Amino acid sequence: KNQVEQSPQSLIILEGKNCTLQCNYTVSPFSNLRWYKQDTGRGPVSLTIMTFSENTKSNGRYTATLDADTKQSSLHITASQLSDSASYICVVTLRPQFYFGTGTSLTVIP
Amino acid sequence: EAQVTQNPRYLITVTGKKLTVTCSQNMNHEYMSWYRQDPGLGLRQIYYSMNVEVTDKGDVPEGYKVSRKEKRNFPLILESPSPNQTSLYFCASSFTDHYEQYFGPGTRLTVT
Repeated sequence: KNQVEQSPQSLIILEGKNCTLQCNYTVSPFSNLRWYKQDTGRGPVSLTIMTFSENTKSNGRYTATLDADTKQSSLHITASQLSDSASYICVVTLRPQFYFGTGTSLTVIP
Repeated sequence: EAQVTQNPRYLITVTGKKLTVTCSQNMNHEYMSWYRQDPGLGLRQIYYSMNVEVTDKGDVPEGYKVSRKEKRNFPLILESPSPNQTSLYFCASSFTDHYEQYFGPGTRLTVT
C-alpha cells in the first residue's frame, strides 16, 4: 500500500530557531516528492519539488532533502518566523496520482 | 491574476440532494484534480483529469462524479450526498502531473 508518514504530528518552536520535519514513504517507484505549506483554512502552496535523482532543494529559508534509498525526506526551516506557523505536507507523486502525508502542524511562538 | 477558483466556498445541504462544486483555472493547465481533506487523514485524491475529456479515479472516488468538457473547468458532482461526504474539498491544477500544483481556496461542505 502506498503510504506517506510524517513526524512529528505537531511542533512548537521559538521564533528565530531552526526545525526539521520528517517524511517517510513507501510509494514506489515515484517521480517526485513535494513539500507544501498550508495555512489554516487555505489551500496548500508548493515549497519544493524534487525528483528521485535530487538530494536537496532550497526555497529561501526552506531546504528539503531526499534519500531515495531509505525513502526518507526532510524539510528544514531556518530562522523561523511567526508566519511559518502552518501545516507542512509531504506529497509523493506516482504519476498521475498524488499521495499525501497527514502533515506536521508547526507553531512558532514569540 | 493566475488562480484556481471554487464555488461555493461554503455549503450546507441535506442527504440526497444533488449538488455541484465548480472549479475553474485561468492558467491553461492540462492537469486538474479534486481532493478532500479530513482531520487525521490528510488530503486524498478523488478524481483527476489529464486533459479535456480524460478523467480517472483517484483513491476515494465513490459517491463522486466529474466531467472535463472544457480545459478550464472541472466540476465535482455529488449525485446523492451523504453525511460521510462532509469534508473540505480542494481543486488543483498544473501544466501536467509532473509540475507544481496550484490549489483553489477550498469548499467546506456539510451534509446533514
